[in-house]
Amino acid sequence: GAVVSQHPSRVICKSGTSVKIECRSLDFQATTMFWYRQFPKKSLMLMATSNEGSKATYEQGVEKDKFLINHASLTLSTLTVTSAHPEDSSFYICSAIGLADYNEQFFGPGTRLTVL
Amino acid sequence: AQTVTQSQPEMSVQEAETVTLSCTYDTSESDYYLFWYKQPPSRQMILVIRQEAYKQQNATENRFSVNFQKAAKSFSLKISDSQLGDAAMYFCAYRYSGGGADGLTFGKGTHLIIQP
Repeated sequence: GAVVSQHPSRVICKSGTSVKIECRSLDFQATTMFWYRQFPKKSLMLMATSNEGSKATYEQGVEKDKFLINHASLTLSTLTVTSAHPEDSSFYICSAIGLADYNEQFFGPGTRLTVL
Repeated sequence: AQTVTQSQPEMSVQEAETVTLSCTYDTSESDYYLFWYKQPPSRQMILVIRQEAYKQQNATENRFSVNFQKAAKSFSLKISDSQLGDAAMYFCAYRYSGGGADGLTFGKGTHLIIQP
């Protein structure tokens, strides 16, 4: 199957700093990438949809200025958590859809963010 | 807006036995896909099985099968001959298929325990 990577896998930062998380499709071109957030022992919540070369579409309740998403190429999307606070601590997971099949999302391994 | 409900926070089954995980959903759409994902302790999301709403035949993948009842908006997962490696969180998910590349709506998950 197709492979999606995320970097870093874990990050710890101080409150007030910004953190960038990368999501890459390694062996296919991703027309669309999605960003999800998962709290401990909770479900995944869709944060935003990212299409290459256009602005991301954010779900209701997700702060656009807090969670900046850039999809600069068909293999890379980035999520930047700006001015991070402890309540932003979570597990962030990206997924990608290829050109061939909209109905199969390939998930990255996730990034655990801890804000001190 | 669509919702996905998993009413069983935790299920336990003896190894080699059969277990059924429940999922109901609510949507006003007629074109959609339903999925079951497995999330082991590694947190990597793994697609178990998917069902197109327009198909009456229930999907099967080896030991995994679904009971899709469209009128009742029910989508249960049956795992036969349970194995220790099946222990994980299982998430039911919905995706509208009429608008292009949409993200997934997940249920809250069911923690499956396999007893040796």
